[in-house]
Amino acid sequence: DGGITQSPKYLFRKEGQNVTLSCEQNLNHDAMYWYRQDPGQGLRLIYYSQIVNDFQKGDIAEGYSVSREKKESFPLTVTSAQKNPTAFYLCASTPRGAPQHFGDGTRLSIL
Amino acid sequence: GIQVEQSPPDLILQEGANSTLRCNFSDSVNNLQWFHQNPWGQLINLFYIPSGTKQNGRLSATTVATERYSLLYISSSQTTDSGVYFCAVAYSGNTPLVFGKGTRLSVIA
Repeated sequence: DGGITQSPKYLFRKEGQNVTLSCEQNLNHDAMYWYRQDPGQGLRLIYYSQIVNDFQKGDIAEGYSVSREKKESFPLTVTSAQKNPTAFYLCASTPRGAPQHFGDGTRLSIL
Repeated sequence: GIQVEQSPPDLILQEGANSTLRCNFSDSVNNLQWFHQNPWGQLINLFYIPSGTKQNGRLSATTVATERYSLLYISSSQTTDSGVYFCAVAYSGNTPLVFGKGTRLSVIA
């Protein structure tokens, strides 16, 4: 089945800990994106990548890091520098000139 | 950057009623999408509609690109239509989407 897979669905972070959220797609899409959603709000862009080994910061990149070593994978690391990481994180991908499709998301909470 | 405004912010409907959701945006765009976010958080693509009109069952959408707005019509609403509807725009097909804050729809039986 083709699609975008995010894991885990739920994640808990301790103070001072880095955690990594996984996003994998088997759709052969060029571009991938990470968004953050806070309760009652729309989505805001964290990072995006249009090709392998290249990525750009979005509006709220501070405290996050990404890599794009393979076309299929775009993991997001939430570092200890992100002081308010509790949110719903959504990954998306798209081929050129076509609509974005989203994974089912990861809910991150602080212990 | 692009600004996206959605109205109304909240809407309560009786089952079977019709509704219109509006999305205004501040710049010319080549990508506009409507999404439905269900209670589990999943974002479901409804329409990819940078211009023109499309219909899918009880839902239809119209984008007037020259006037920078889009409308989502829901007819004969059902309780399963409840959730948050987002409009999102982008300058091109593979640039990041800018989201509005959404319209929260509650359909009551």
